[in-house]
Amino acid sequence: DAMVIQNPRYQVTQFGKPVTLSCSQTLNHNVMYWYQQKSSQAPKLLFHYYDKDFNNEADTPDNFQSRRPNTSFCFLDIRSPGLGDAAMYLCATSRLPRGYEQYFGPGTRLTVT
Amino acid sequence: DAKTTQPNSMESNEEEPVHLPCNHSTISGTDYIHWYRQLPSQGPEYVIHGLTSNVNNRMASLAIAEDRKSSTLILHRATLRDAAVYYCILTQGAQKLVFGQGTRLTINP
Repeated sequence: DAMVIQNPRYQVTQFGKPVTLSCSQTLNHNVMYWYQQKSSQAPKLLFHYYDKDFNNEADTPDNFQSRRPNTSFCFLDIRSPGLGDAAMYLCATSRLPRGYEQYFGPGTRLTVT
Repeated sequence: DAKTTQPNSMESNEEEPVHLPCNHSTISGTDYIHWYRQLPSQGPEYVIHGLTSNVNNRMASLAIAEDRKSSTLILHRATLRDAAVYYCILTQGAQKLVFGQGTRLTINP
């Protein structure tokens, strides 16, 4: 089945130690998104790639970066994780401009110790 | 982004219909009304969307008020698997989803 895959599902990192989360998709969608969802909160968009164009949300901290080496893969890099970055990180895809639906992966739960 | 207002929580019984309301009084003419839901420990999933007319799909129905300032997601026969947080989102496409707090739906057996 075509899908959005996130690895790992659970990630533990140390305070200040860089960490990378990965997302891959078999849907051949041209847009990929990263959302952050903290405990008991709604998902919040961090940034997205529309093809190769990177679009950062205004309030996304500089500590968060992303790479998209090809259509299928997208990475979320957290340069110096703080305790406040512990959250579920959700990857999603869509096909624009005509698509109306985003497809989400299962998420990676990040713990910072 | 236009905002939506939803009840924090709702409760219903299994096999009964559920009507989840959403107010969006500042909706613009080009805003689509999207509904997503998030089951426990999963990513959100698309449920349904509409612009002006009522919409039906295999998961649910969407009833849109004539003035478009409110809408209702209808689950015709709730099951325990429908227990989730339901988000009503206004968007002009799939490009950006701004999630509000949503409605936490509890289904009683």
